[in-house]
Amino acid sequence: SQQGEEDPQALSIQEGENATMNCSYKTSINNLQWYRQNSGRGLVHLILIRSNEREKHSGRLRVTLDTSKKSSSLLITASRAADTASYFCAPSMDNFNKFYFGSGTKLNVKP
Amino acid sequence: DAGVIQSPRHEVTEMGQEVTLRCKPISGHDYLFWYRQTMMRGLELLIYFNNNVPIDDSGMPEDRFSAKMPNASFSTLKIQPSEPRDSAVYFCASSVTGTGGKLFFGSGTQLSVL
Repeated sequence: SQQGEEDPQALSIQEGENATMNCSYKTSINNLQWYRQNSGRGLVHLILIRSNEREKHSGRLRVTLDTSKKSSSLLITASRAADTASYFCAPSMDNFNKFYFGSGTKLNVKP
Repeated sequence: DAGVIQSPRHEVTEMGQEVTLRCKPISGHDYLFWYRQTMMRGLELLIYFNNNVPIDDSGMPEDRFSAKMPNASFSTLKIQPSEPRDSAVYFCASSVTGTGGKLFFGSGTQLSVL
């Protein structure tokens, strides 16, 4: 399978806490992206990390990539109720233009 | 930019009818993708185009599904005849070469086949 698999499937935390989501994949990649989907909406791009990068930050988001373990993690610090959404990883295999998504992690941030 | 525009937002039809979903990608984007999302199967890549040419349609479930991109600003996904199991949210996304494949998604079309 070329898709990423997110873990856990669901995560419920209190506002202010950190949320960590993981992604595993099976083949070598060129890059890996994370997306957010609010209920009833299309996916929104959050961050892209290339295969030669180990860590990347964007605001309250921190993404790590371990190509030896074929895994990535997304950390959201100081979570807010507005972060409630599903989060998907999308590894890109042989080219940059074909992405397969997993089932996502459903994050619920309680106010 | 208005983003990726899909129409209709909702479509309710009866089994056997033809359904046409429409997509306008972001101007200047050279890649266009059609995805389908269901609870059971998640987000599935159906087909994608590069410069209006279909590159990979291996995700198209059956011959009942067809997609076209007659020009750089318009694409259609057609289901004929439709079946209840086609009920899903269909997303269109576009991207541009040189950005590592960053996808911009439309708001989707919620299709219900009765």
